[in-house]
Amino acid sequence: AQKITQTQPGMFVQEKEAVTLDCTYDTSDPSYGLFWYKQPSSGEMIFLIYQGSYDQQNATEGRYSLNFQKARKSANLVISASQLGDSAMYFCAMRERSYGQNFVFGPGTRLSVLP
Amino acid sequence: DVKVTQSSRYLVKRTGEKVFLECVQDMDHENMFWYRQDPGLGLRLIYFSYDVKMKEKGDIPEGYSVSREKKERFSLILESASTNQTSMYLCASGTRDRAAYGYTFGSGTRLTVV
Repeated sequence: AQKITQTQPGMFVQEKEAVTLDCTYDTSDPSYGLFWYKQPSSGEMIFLIYQGSYDQQNATEGRYSLNFQKARKSANLVISASQLGDSAMYFCAMRERSYGQNFVFGPGTRLSVLP
Repeated sequence: DVKVTQSSRYLVKRTGEKVFLECVQDMDHENMFWYRQDPGLGLRLIYFSYDVKMKEKGDIPEGYSVSREKKERFSLILESASTNQTSMYLCASGTRDRAAYGYTFGSGTRLTVV
C-alpha cells in the first residue's frame, strides 16, 4: 500500500491566489514527521516545511503552511499569495521513527501558476 | 549553505557499462542517501549510509551498489547498466540530530542508458 498519496498530478492557480496541495499518509508509528519539498525545473529538491506528529499547532514558514489533520492522516500544503516562481513539482514525504532516518515520498503534484 | 554536489548533470551510457555517480557534501553530515526519481512514482530510496564504510539497502537496491570510503563522499555504482535504469538520480545528505530540517539534496543526475 502507498504510504504517501498525492491525488493531484497537476494543479493550476492564478497568481496571487492561495492554493492547497493534498497529501494523505499511512502509518501505524505514533512518532513520525511530515515534510514538503519543492522541485523546480532545475531539479534540486528544496525543503519547505516540517510537521511533527506530536506538534500541537500547524507548521508555518512564510507563505507556506501545513494543514495537519492527524485523525484524517492528512498534511496538506497551503501556499498563500502564489507567485510565478512557485511553479514546480511538490512532494510530500514522511519519516517514521520505526523506519530510521529514511523518507518515503509521494508521487508529487505539478503546480503551475498562471499570470 | 550546505552544498550537495553531484558530479554530472547529464550522463549517457551504453547498456552493460559500469557507471559511477558521485555525490559530495561539505557539511560533515553523517547520513547520505541515493534516490531515483521517475514520473508518477516520486522518489524511491536505493541505498543509504549512516557513516563511513557503512551502507544499508533501501527499497530498490537491485542492480546497484554503493561506496562510502570518506564521510563527505557517497558513490552509487551501476555494475552493468540497463535501459530500465534510465532515470533521474538524486543524492541527499543530512544530520541525525536535526531531523526537523529535512535533508539537503543535490541537483540530480539525469542518466540515460542506451
